[in-house]
Amino acid sequence: DADVTQTPRNRITKTGKRIMLECSQTKGHDRMYWYRQDPGLGLQLIYYSFDVKDINKGEISDGYSVSRQAQAKFSLSLESAIPNQTALYFCATSDFPGQPNTGELFFGEGSRLTVL
Amino acid sequence: RKEVEQDPGPFNVPEGATVAFNCTYSNSASQSFFWYRQDCRKEPKLLMSVYSSGNEDGRFTAQLNRASQYISLLIRDSKLSDSATYLCVVNIHDMRFGAGTRLTVKP
Repeated sequence: DADVTQTPRNRITKTGKRIMLECSQTKGHDRMYWYRQDPGLGLQLIYYSFDVKDINKGEISDGYSVSRQAQAKFSLSLESAIPNQTALYFCATSDFPGQPNTGELFFGEGSRLTVL
Repeated sequence: RKEVEQDPGPFNVPEGATVAFNCTYSNSASQSFFWYRQDCRKEPKLLMSVYSSGNEDGRFTAQLNRASQYISLLIRDSKLSDSATYLCVVNIHDMRFGAGTRLTVKP
């Protein structure tokens, strides 16, 4: 089984619908992240969480919200989806970047969202 | 200005070539640095961390220049299987990505 699991893997929805993308991890990491990727733009950080009680906005948080239900679970919501939120979404986890940990990110396989 | 900027690419090189990617970052408080590799439609995967003293892993060499705020990745004797997008990642408080540089190695 994958260490970082995202559901759904693919979703097509309509403008105005509420969508939730879910992420769960078995790595025991405190830190979790949501990124979106558009062609040619790399990964842009939406939200991140360093523990269950810590939620932080990233570069492009407008139109998104998150919930950290447990150490292992971090979900991303689009309250009212719009077409320019069509993208590939990645969840990632990391440990605290201090010896012996590098703080590297471990990614889920991605959730491809299409908003019509 | 983006926090992390990379060579725009794409790079198209023959097998056996040496290719170098550069990445600059704007926040001098950045703490750790990485190169990730991403294959088409797949999740990024760690290629190597970048250490202050520079580090090498087989055909791959990473360098960090804190004074000039850039990191580099050198790939020697490139293989067809090196074709991918290479992403520079900088840990500022969170983890920020460059836009990526696409490499295609041709026979």
